Amino acid sequence: GAVVSQHPSRVICKSGTSVKIECRSLDFQATTMFWYRQFPKQSLMLMATSNEGSKATYEQGVEKDKFLINHASLTLSTLTVTSAHPEDSSFYICSARPATGATYEQYFGPGTRLTVT
Amino acid sequence: GQNIDQPTEMTATEGAIVQINCTYQTSGFNGLFWYQQHAGEAPTFLSYNVLDGLEEKGRFSSFLSRSKGYSYLLLKELQMKDSASYLCAVRDRGGATNKLIFGTGTLLAVQP
Repeated sequence: GAVVSQHPSRVICKSGTSVKIECRSLDFQATTMFWYRQFPKQSLMLMATSNEGSKATYEQGVEKDKFLINHASLTLSTLTVTSAHPEDSSFYICSARPATGATYEQYFGPGTRLTVT
Repeated sequence: GQNIDQPTEMTATEGAIVQINCTYQTSGFNGLFWYQQHAGEAPTFLSYNVLDGLEEKGRFSSFLSRSKGYSYLLLKELQMKDSASYLCAVRDRGGATNKLIFGTGTLLAVQP
């Protein structure tokens, strides 16, 4: 089956530093990857949509200069949280849509727990 | 606007049947998904409905009525491991990527 990995699974960083989260599709190529954020006891909120080789599309209210997204290949997208603050502490989840197959398919990674101190 | 409503919490008994409802109002519609999410883990796919009617898959069934903006997830023969959050998500037709819009999720507690 389609597998999506995220690295790291957990990260703790100091306020003001930057953190990079990787999302990889391990056994399929993904033309589109999505980045979500989930606060405790809340649902997933879409942050941005990234397509391989083009600029990401950010949802309203998400700062593109703070959450840098790079989708450099068909198997890798990265999210960099720049100048992190405690309010950025959250569970970040990516998902990937296969380049082939049913258009509704979307596979989620295991998530990255970010804690900013 | 876009709005997806689900009950916040539900409780059911092991071996019983539970129905989790979802109503939606979105600018576009291109399918409805149900996901299961255990605490601290990523969502896992349960079902997808794009046409009206019932889709059955083992102990799980999902129903959709597009005219009513309504779906439900039916879980039969409940097991303790079914205790999780159940997320209803609508695929918005807007734009080229058909993004998913998630409801707030329903936290289901299965009791012995």
